Amino acid sequence: NAGVIQTPRHKVTGKGQEATLWCEPISGHSAVFWYRQTIVQGLEFLTYFRNQAPIDDSGMPKERFSAQMPNQSHSTLKIQSTQPQDSAVYLCASSSDRVENTLYFGAGTRLSVL
Amino acid sequence: GEQVEQRPPHLSVREGDSAVITCTYTDPNSYYFFWYKQEPGASLQLLMKVFSSTEINEGQGFTVLLNKKDKRLSLNLTAAHPGDSAAYFCAVTSSNTDKVVFGTGTRLQVSP
Repeated sequence: NAGVIQTPRHKVTGKGQEATLWCEPISGHSAVFWYRQTIVQGLEFLTYFRNQAPIDDSGMPKERFSAQMPNQSHSTLKIQSTQPQDSAVYLCASSSDRVENTLYFGAGTRLSVL
Repeated sequence: GEQVEQRPPHLSVREGDSAVITCTYTDPNSYYFFWYKQEPGASLQLLMKVFSSTEINEGQGFTVLLNKKDKRLSLNLTAAHPGDSAAYFCAVTSSNTDKVVFGTGTRLQVSP
C-alpha cells in the first residue's frame, strides 16, 4: 500500500499561468478530499468526491479552481490564472468508509506562485 | 454548517509537562472525531479516532476526552517529550454528511 500519492511535490508558476495538481488515492478507497493549507488560514476544505461523483465543492473559489475525478485511480485540481494568494500546500486525502470517514493524507503539493 | 474552534493556536511546554489542546464544535449531529498530527514538513497522520460511544480513549502518552454535552473534544499529552513537537488538528464529521471539518490547529513546541 503506497498510500495517497500526490504529484508534483513542488510546483512553481508565474502569475497568470495554469497549475494542475494530481492525486492518486489509496486503491479501493471511494472518497477523495482536497484541502488547502496555509499558515494564515490553516486547513481549508476545498472539495470532495465520493465514487468519482462530486459531492461538495463549497470550499472551491468559484472562478479559477476546478476539480475532477475521471476515474477511481486519480483526481486533479486545476487552478487557472494562478495568483500569488493561491500559494499554499494542497493536500489530498482518501477515505474508504463513508460512515467512519478516516482520512489518509498524501504528502501534499507545495504551490508557489511568483 | 459545522464550525470547529481549536485552542490554543500555539503551546510551548517543557519536557515532562502535560499539554492540553481543546476543540469545540457546533453541530449536535457530529458523530466521529479525530486527532491528526503533522510533523514539520510532513503531512497529517491520524493519531486517534473517537466515536460517539466512546468518551475516553488512551494512546501512547496521550488521552482523548469527548464531552458531547458540551460539544468539546480534548487531547491531553500526559508527559510531553521533544518528539511530540508538531502541529495537532482535531477533525469532526457528522452523521449527516461525509464532509470532515478541521480545527485551526495547535502548534506544540516541547523543549528539553
